[in-house]
Amino acid sequence: GAGVSQSPRYKVAKRGQDVALRCDPISGHVSLFWYQQALGQGPEFLTYFQNEAQLDKSGLPSDRFFAERPEGSVSTLKIQRTQQEDSAVYLCASSLVLAGRGSNQPQHFGDGTRLSIL
Amino acid sequence: AQTVTQSQPEMSVQEAETVTLSCTYDTSESNYYLFWYKQPPSRQMILVIRQEAYKQQNATENRFSVNFQKAAKSFSLKISDSQLGDTAMYFCAFMKDNNDMRFGAGTRLTVKP
Repeated sequence: GAGVSQSPRYKVAKRGQDVALRCDPISGHVSLFWYQQALGQGPEFLTYFQNEAQLDKSGLPSDRFFAERPEGSVSTLKIQRTQQEDSAVYLCASSLVLAGRGSNQPQHFGDGTRLSIL
Repeated sequence: AQTVTQSQPEMSVQEAETVTLSCTYDTSESNYYLFWYKQPPSRQMILVIRQEAYKQQNATENRFSVNFQKAAKSFSLKISDSQLGDTAMYFCAFMKDNNDMRFGAGTRLTVKP
C-alpha cells in the first residue's frame, strides 16, 4: 500500500504481558515517529528515528518502552510488563525528509494500534 | 518547550455554514510550522492544512483556510460550506525543524444536517 501501515489494529493483553506493535512506513521515508494517544487527548510524542538511528526517545514514559528500526524501514514499539495506564492508541508516522532541513514536509500517519490492558 | 492550546473541546455547525476552530501556541522559536489534522473515528490523522511561520500569507485549501497571527501566536482554522463528512476531531499541531510534533488536545466538530 501507499500509506503507513500499522499492525495489529487492536491488541488486548493482560497486565504484566509484553506486547510488540509494528509500523511499516511509506517506502523511502527517512523519518519515523511514534506517538501515544490517550482517550480524548491529542497524540503525545514518544520517539523518533532517522533511518535506523533513534535520535530522540525523550517521550518514552518509562524503561518498559523500547523502540527499534534496525534496517531503517519497519519499526517495532515494544512494551514490557504492561500496565493499565499503557492503554491507549499508538500512532506511527513517517516523513520524507531528514530532521533539521527546515522543510515543511508533513508527517503521514497510520491508523494506529489500539492497546487495551486488562 | 512548545505547548499548543485548543480551548474549544466541542463545536457544532449546521451543514453549509462556516465554523472557526481556535488554536494558540507558545514558543520562543522564530521559524516553525503549523498544521491542522483531522481525525475521524477511523483514527487516521489526515492533514487538512499547513502553514510556515515565515510566510505572512494565510494558507488556503479549498474550503479550509487559516488565520495565522504570528505576533499573537494564534492559528485558527476556518471551514466554509461545512459538510457532514467534516465531522471529526481536529488537532492543531506545532512542529520545529521537522522533528516531533506537539499537538493540542483537540476539538470535536459535529456538522449537523
